[in-house]
Amino acid sequence: SQQGEEDPQALSIQEGENATMNCSYKTSINNLQWYRQNSGRGLVHLILIRSNEREKHSGRLRVTLDTSKKSSSLLITASRAADTASYFCATPGGVFYQKVTFGIGTKLQVIP
Amino acid sequence: DGGITQSPKYLFRKEGQNVTLSCEQNLNHDAMYWYRQDPGQGLRLIYYSQIVNDFQKGDIAEGYSVSREKKESFPLTVTSAQKNPTAFYLCASSPGTGTTWGSGANVLTFGAGSRLTVL
Repeated sequence: SQQGEEDPQALSIQEGENATMNCSYKTSINNLQWYRQNSGRGLVHLILIRSNEREKHSGRLRVTLDTSKKSSSLLITASRAADTASYFCATPGGVFYQKVTFGIGTKLQVIP
Repeated sequence: DGGITQSPKYLFRKEGQNVTLSCEQNLNHDAMYWYRQDPGQGLRLIYYSQIVNDFQKGDIAEGYSVSREKKESFPLTVTSAQKNPTAFYLCASSPGTGTTWGSGANVLTFGAGSRLTVL
C-alpha cells in the first residue's frame, strides 16, 4: 500500500510563481523526505524533515510537517522551467524506519 | 565517483522467461531497495534489505525474488509468475546504520533505472 499520498497529482504554473504540493501519510515516522524525478530517470533526494521539526528551508524549498494531521507540504518559490519534474514524498516506516515507501507524486510543469 | 549502477538499462523479455536485473553500489550502504514504477504512477516497494543475507518483502513482492549475498549487490529476479512485469524498475540504497532518531540513515540514493518490456 502507498504510505504517502500527494496532492495535487498534477500542477501547471508560470515561471516565477510558487508551487505548493501536499503529502499525507498514515503511520508513525521518524522523518519525512521529498524527492524529485525527471522523466525516465532515478529519484534525487531534496530535503528531509525530522518528526520533531515543523518547518525546514533549503534554498528555494520550504517544507512543513504537521504530525498531528500526518501531513507535509513542499513549497518551491520563484519556480523555474528547470523545476519541471515529478515530486514525491517518502515516509520511512517499519521496525527501524528502513521500510521507505513513496506516494504517487505530483507532476509539476513550469511554463517559461 | 560513488553511486548505484543498474543494468541493463533496457531489457526485453518473452512471456514465461525469468529475467534478472542487476544493482551494484559502491557507497558502503547497508540497506538496499527495489521499487517498481508504472507510467504516471508512484513507486511501489518490491523488496528491501537492511543487511547482508537478510531481506524483507515490500508491498508487491509476489512474482519477484532477490538475494543479498554481498553488501554491494542486490539483484532482482522477475519470474514468470509476475503477471504484468512491464515497468520501470528502480534500485536504491541508504546508509541504514543504526536507529538514531530522525537520522538520515534512511535517505535513499537511486540508480538510473531499468526498463523491462515483455513482448
